[in-house]
Amino acid sequence: KQEVTQIPAALSVPEGENLVLNCSFTDSAIYNLQWFRQDPGKGLTSLLLIQSSQREQTSGRLNASLDKSSGRSTLYIAASQPGDSATYLCAVRGIQGAQKLVFGQGTRLTINP
Amino acid sequence: NAGVTQTPKFQVLKTGQSMTLQCAQDMNHEYMSWYRQDPGMGLRLIHYSVGAGITDQGEVPNGYNVSRSTTEDFPLRLLSAAPSQTSVYFCASSASGTGSEQYFGPGTRLTVT
Repeated sequence: KQEVTQIPAALSVPEGENLVLNCSFTDSAIYNLQWFRQDPGKGLTSLLLIQSSQREQTSGRLNASLDKSSGRSTLYIAASQPGDSATYLCAVRGIQGAQKLVFGQGTRLTINP
Repeated sequence: NAGVTQTPKFQVLKTGQSMTLQCAQDMNHEYMSWYRQDPGMGLRLIHYSVGAGITDQGEVPNGYNVSRSTTEDFPLRLLSAAPSQTSVYFCASSASGTGSEQYFGPGTRLTVT
């Protein structure tokens, strides 16, 4: 059974810092991995989708990497801003049970001005 | 292009009542799904559909019913609400089931008393 873990559960950093959020998964047989952002009381906003054949994807200040063989992904946020404060979720679509995304519990990120 | 829309945003039900959560998407996506989000449990798949007329169960389908008569709409019915169904419900869609980016709606916060 696929399990997705995000560590740490919460992170607080001063504005302007570069930071890395971590995601690990137990079964490397995946189609893709997706990073989302969730603001309090809101829906999930897709940030980046990495297919299993890719090593990384970039969008603006965000860079996501994927190491399928070790079951790890990282989300790198450059020059963090207070507006980046949110919960970040990673989700994996496995080859087994491909109809669903398996989510981690999320990392709650706070950027302090 | 509104993306994925959900109504209502909030709902309070009494135990035993029934209701329908509405979901619509205007992206011509074939694949639609319903998740619930609970503290400590993350997001879990309730039901999904790979196209009009085709639905199937996810991880936690008991107490819920779905149908898909059009590509655009995928309503979720609670047959007889129970306090255990208090949750935030998210509808999602993607162009196809395995390789595509998943888009989520804003959610419906349901309380069953």
